Amino acid sequence: EPEVTQTPSHQVTQMGQEVILRCVPISNHLYFYWYRQILGQKVEFLVSFYNNEISEKSEIFDDQFSVERPDGSNFTLKIRSTKLEDSAMYFCASTRRGNGELFFGEGSRLTVL
Amino acid sequence: GENVEQHPSTLSVQEGDSAVIKCTYSDSASNYFPWYKQELGKRPQLIIDIRSNVGEKKDQRIAVTLNKTAKHFSLHITETQPEDSAVYFCAASDLGNEKLTFGTGTRLTIIP
Repeated sequence: EPEVTQTPSHQVTQMGQEVILRCVPISNHLYFYWYRQILGQKVEFLVSFYNNEISEKSEIFDDQFSVERPDGSNFTLKIRSTKLEDSAMYFCASTRRGNGELFFGEGSRLTVL
Repeated sequence: GENVEQHPSTLSVQEGDSAVIKCTYSDSASNYFPWYKQELGKRPQLIIDIRSNVGEKKDQRIAVTLNKTAKHFSLHITETQPEDSAVYFCAASDLGNEKLTFGTGTRLTIIP
């Protein structure tokens, strides 16, 4: 069964450093998302991406965040200057159509020291 | 924007008993309500979903009910088993709005 894959599974970084989290969505999916989950809390929407552009973003997704689909398979989340409060599990998700079942990746745990 | 409330935050039931988790939502435009199960350290996985044109959906031991008038929906798990132990999240979204708004989660523990 096809899966969303994410790398790295865990990244530790110093505050102020740039981080890139990578995702490979399911190949025939058209909508891509990043969600985050602070430890022990709910899953929060960050951004959705369709047709090579951001379709919606939350208030969490400020100027420090950016997303890119550099080629036909990868979907990346960049945090330019990490803060302590960016420490969380970041989930990539994809779906074939909007408002359909979301398929989540295994997540990338980001620890900012 | 949408706001989803979920209760209870923790729930313990004896193996074989039923478990019910309830969610309310605020945006009357929401029309898609999935439930996700998340085991410790793992990704959320869809277990069942319901759209606003139906009031109930069942899949083996799992059922979801939706009351659009009252803006609430519930997850029902019957004949619970130890492997049902996990955190369960409800969510809501509306047509044309691709993002899911999640509830705060319910930690379900099945006592053998």
